[in-house]
Amino acid sequence: SQQGEEDPQALSIQEGENATMNCSYKTSINNLQWYRQNSGRGLVHLILIRSNEREKHSGRLRVTLDTSKKSSSLLITASRAADTASYFCATNRGYSTLTFGKGTMLLVSP
Amino acid sequence: EAGVVQSPRYKIIEKKQPVAFWCNPISGHNTLYWYLQNLGQGPELLIRYENEEAVDDSQLPKDRFSAERLKGVDSTLKIQPAELGDSAVYLCASSLARGQEDTQYFGPGTRLTVL
Repeated sequence: SQQGEEDPQALSIQEGENATMNCSYKTSINNLQWYRQNSGRGLVHLILIRSNEREKHSGRLRVTLDTSKKSSSLLITASRAADTASYFCATNRGYSTLTFGKGTMLLVSP
Repeated sequence: EAGVVQSPRYKIIEKKQPVAFWCNPISGHNTLYWYLQNLGQGPELLIRYENEEAVDDSQLPKDRFSAERLKGVDSTLKIQPAELGDSAVYLCASSLARGQEDTQYFGPGTRLTVL
């Protein structure tokens, strides 16, 4: 079963623009992680945010977490064509088990 | 350092035939996962191993799916017999078993087509 639901399902932007995708989940979590998947590199871990954190940065990525609303957002600033991929949020409720959402397909056009 | 290795990358079989997928995790990673990913969906966990022990196989359809991780390194996932609905990508991942903040490293997957 899918825990997270990403929104939007698909997003198309121009290079240089920012991309924001959201994730909602249903149950309490220990942490939330974002992954990227493209045909070239498979599924790759991007960033992890703990349940007691509200915001985290990594390079051009900014993740926020609102546990009261059970939601998270991923912001990619100054998008590049190479950012074209599907982005998944994954929630960790304990141990090492992750539950993935359905993903957002991001297309960045040159 | 080599990543997670999976083989074959693609497999086409007829329904009711058996099929097996192989995974070699990153050296030193004690935790190994098998996921199933349907088109347009996120990965769904089938089974998780801590060394040789299957610690979470609640989502594995045990009537036709089986898995093993002998010696706590390589793993094999088998389907017998395959059904049309089993067409999907089967992903293997591994991690260092540091608990809740493990980063999982995924292999390229095996794309299975059942005709």
